[in-house]
Amino acid sequence: DGGITQSPKYLFRKEGQNVTLSCEQNLNHDAMYWYRQDPGQGLRLIYYSQIVNDFQKGDIAEGYSVSREKKESFPLTVTSAQKNPTAFYLCASSGQAQSGAQHFGDGTRLSIL
Amino acid sequence: RKEVEQDPGPFNVPEGATVAFNCTYSNSASQSFFWYRQDCRKEPKLLMSVYSSGNEDGRFTAQLNRASQYISLLIRDSKLSDSATYLCVVNRDDKIIFGKGTRLHILP
Repeated sequence: DGGITQSPKYLFRKEGQNVTLSCEQNLNHDAMYWYRQDPGQGLRLIYYSQIVNDFQKGDIAEGYSVSREKKESFPLTVTSAQKNPTAFYLCASSGQAQSGAQHFGDGTRLSIL
Repeated sequence: RKEVEQDPGPFNVPEGATVAFNCTYSNSASQSFFWYRQDCRKEPKLLMSVYSSGNEDGRFTAQLNRASQYISLLIRDSKLSDSATYLCVVNRDDKIIFGKGTRLHILP
């Protein structure tokens, strides 16, 4: 079945540590996105990529980095510069660039140890 | 004013009732609109797109009012399984904006 797979489901970060969240899709979508969701809040865009080897900052990119070396994969690194990383991280993809019709992975919950 | 606004709720509604959600947007250049459903601690799932002429999918009806800049979602004959948070999404060329969502509790 086509879909988006995020891993791990739960992740704990120590102070000063970088962690990487995985996102893989087999929908053959060009566009991929990373969002952060805090309790009671809407989704906020961290980074997006419209095509391989290209990505753009979203509204809250500071303290995060991404890469898009393959169409299927869009990993997100939460760096030690992100001082408040505890959140629910969602990866999504869409068939068209900058489309509001998106497929989401089931998310990664990141907490600080 | 926020670009996309929704009543946070929660809406507590008896099973079988009709529920209506509204979502207002501030940018008249917004081009496409969507409703998502998000269950507790799960990912959002696309429920339906919203077309200018209005569209229906079973018990769900979505409408767009460009003049007043809002979209609506109507759920008829609500079921217990409809309990979730409903997010509206507004799309323009360079941006996709998610509303914070409205929580719905269907009461038995």
